Order: sequence, then C-alpha cells, then structure tokens
Amino acid sequence: DGGITQSPKYLFRKEGQNVTLSCEQNLNHDAMYWYRQDPGQGLRLIYYSQIVNDFQKGDIAEGYSVSREKKESFPLTVTSAQKNPTAFYLCASSIAGSGNQPQHFGDGTRLSIL
Amino acid sequence: AQSVTQLDSHVSVSEGTPVLLRCNYSSSYSPSLFWYVQHPNKGLQLLLKYTSAATLVKGINGFEAEFKKSETSFHLTKPSAHMSDAAEYFCVANTGGFKTIFGAGTRLFVKA
Repeated sequence: DGGITQSPKYLFRKEGQNVTLSCEQNLNHDAMYWYRQDPGQGLRLIYYSQIVNDFQKGDIAEGYSVSREKKESFPLTVTSAQKNPTAFYLCASSIAGSGNQPQHFGDGTRLSIL
Repeated sequence: AQSVTQLDSHVSVSEGTPVLLRCNYSSSYSPSLFWYVQHPNKGLQLLLKYTSAATLVKGINGFEAEFKKSETSFHLTKPSAHMSDAAEYFCVANTGGFKTIFGAGTRLFVKA
C-alpha cells in the first residue's frame, strides 16, 4: 500500500543532543512537509520541500534542519538549539504544483526530553 | 491576512444525534478547503475537500460540508454520530502554492 512511514514512533532526547526523525513516502509525491503539533494547537509548518535538493523554511524553522537527497525521503533533525522540542511531529506529502491537492500524513513521532 | 477559525474547541454529542463542526475562513481569494480527522497518536486523514466545484461536498464515513462564500464558512456535518467518530477535526485552507493554513482543531466527544 502507498503511504508515508515515520520512525521512530517515540523518541527521547538528552540535553545537548541532536536527534533525527525519519520520513519515507512511496506515493511518488514531489512535495514533502514537516509539522509540529502541540496540545490544543493546530499544526505549525517547520520546513517543506517542493523537489529533490530543495527545501524552504516554514514558520518555526529555528532549531531544526532537513535534507532532501531523495524523492522518497525527508528527514528532520531536531538540534540542541531547539530549546523546547517536546511535541508531536508529523510528516506529510502531496502532489506539487497546486494548492487544491490534499496532503497525506504519516502517523507521527512523539519526541520527549529525558 | 489569511486565517482559519474553528469556532468550537470542543463539541459533545450523543451517539445517533447530528454532528456540526463549524469553520470560518478569511482569504482574499477563493481557497481550497479541507477537513481532516485525527485519532489519538495518529496522523491526519482527509475527510473531504472543496475545490470550487459543487458547494456541497460529500466525504468519507458519512460526513459532508457545505461551502458558503457569503458567510465564508465551511461547516462539517454528519446526520448521526457514531462512537468511532470521537476524534479531533481540523479545517484547513490553501489559497495556492505551499502555504496551508490549519485551524486549531475541534475535539468531538460522542456519548453513549
């Protein structure tokens, strides 16, 4: 079945540590996104990528980094500069080029601080 | 500025009664509008989308939504709630390109 796979489902970070969240899709979508979800809030865009080897900052990119070396993969690194990383992280993908295409979401990674 | 407002943070209904989740949007252009559902510790699943075709949009699981331009609304309804409908619902707008605006979400509780 086509879809988006996020791993791990749960992740714990120590102080001063960088951690990387994985996102893989087999939908052949050009566009991929990372969102952060905090309790009682909507989703906030961290980074997005329209095409391989290109990505753009979203609304809350500070303390995060991404890469897009392959069409299928869009990993997110939460760096030690992100002082409040505890949240639910969602990866999504869509057909690029038009805003009338829905996004397809993975099942998320919940990141907590040790 | 573009925005999406979900008018209720929580809605509680009894099983078998109608569901109404309200959404208003603010945009200079006619947006594409979506409703998604999120179950605990899961990603968002598309329920339905409006993209300037018919104003009454039917989605999965018996949900539908009506686009009313004059009221800038896109409310989600279902005639009869089921226990499995208990989840969080997000109204989402896109006016083109990669800028997607999410509402804050409405948590639906269904009582037996």
